[in-house]
Amino acid sequence: QVQLVQSGAEVKEPGASVKVSCKVFGSMSSMHWVRQTRDKGFEWMGGFDHGDGEKVYAEKFQGRVTMTDDRITNTAYMDLSGLRSEDTAIYYCVTDPSTRGFFKQWGQGTLVTVSS
Amino acid sequence: DIQMTQSPSTLSASIGDRVTITCRASQSLGLWLAWYQQRPGTAPNLLIYQASTLESGVPSRFSGSGSGTEFTLTISSLQPDDVATYYCQQYLLYPPLTFGGGTKVEIK
Repeated sequence: QVQLVQSGAEVKEPGASVKVSCKVFGSMSSMHWVRQTRDKGFEWMGGFDHGDGEKVYAEKFQGRVTMTDDRITNTAYMDLSGLRSEDTAIYYCVTDPSTRGFFKQWGQGTLVTVSS
Repeated sequence: DIQMTQSPSTLSASIGDRVTITCRASQSLGLWLAWYQQRPGTAPNLLIYQASTLESGVPSRFSGSGSGTEFTLTISSLQPDDVATYYCQQYLLYPPLTFGGGTKVEIK
């Protein structure tokens, strides 16, 4: 059974960047990132595109988000720049072992608060 | 983007009741729909995928049905452990993958 353990809560000022990590215990298959806000609910941010084997990002986050996988340490990272108050959310790493686009395992979540 | 709409947003039922949650998509999904359960203060858990396939370990009182644009999640006999918010998610087309707004289930 794959387990995902995320880094701890962060508080950032507007305009800053945040990097959230996700340690994978088990097989590091197709990784995605999803966030949850009070206003918008769940938003898919991006992840592995089984079509071409590359990362694909939601248009909303294009240019601000970078997702990387370190296969030596079995850790996934999500880097979000240009933070604004609307980015205050719980960020989840998730796995899609079937590569079809639904999420079998979820990390525990990382609260990112953007506030001056 | 495919829009997902759930109803009701909140429901209150008694222990042992049959509970039904509806999810509608803005275009046909075939069977490419998943359901998740999120208990308060925790991450979501996958319940059902491909509209009606129960994830391993999920109690058999949960079932999913539907195809195209209308889907349902049914709890055959509501238990205290089922207090949670339930979400549907389409995976026909991405980017982006999209979720419904959630249905909060409470005990009457």
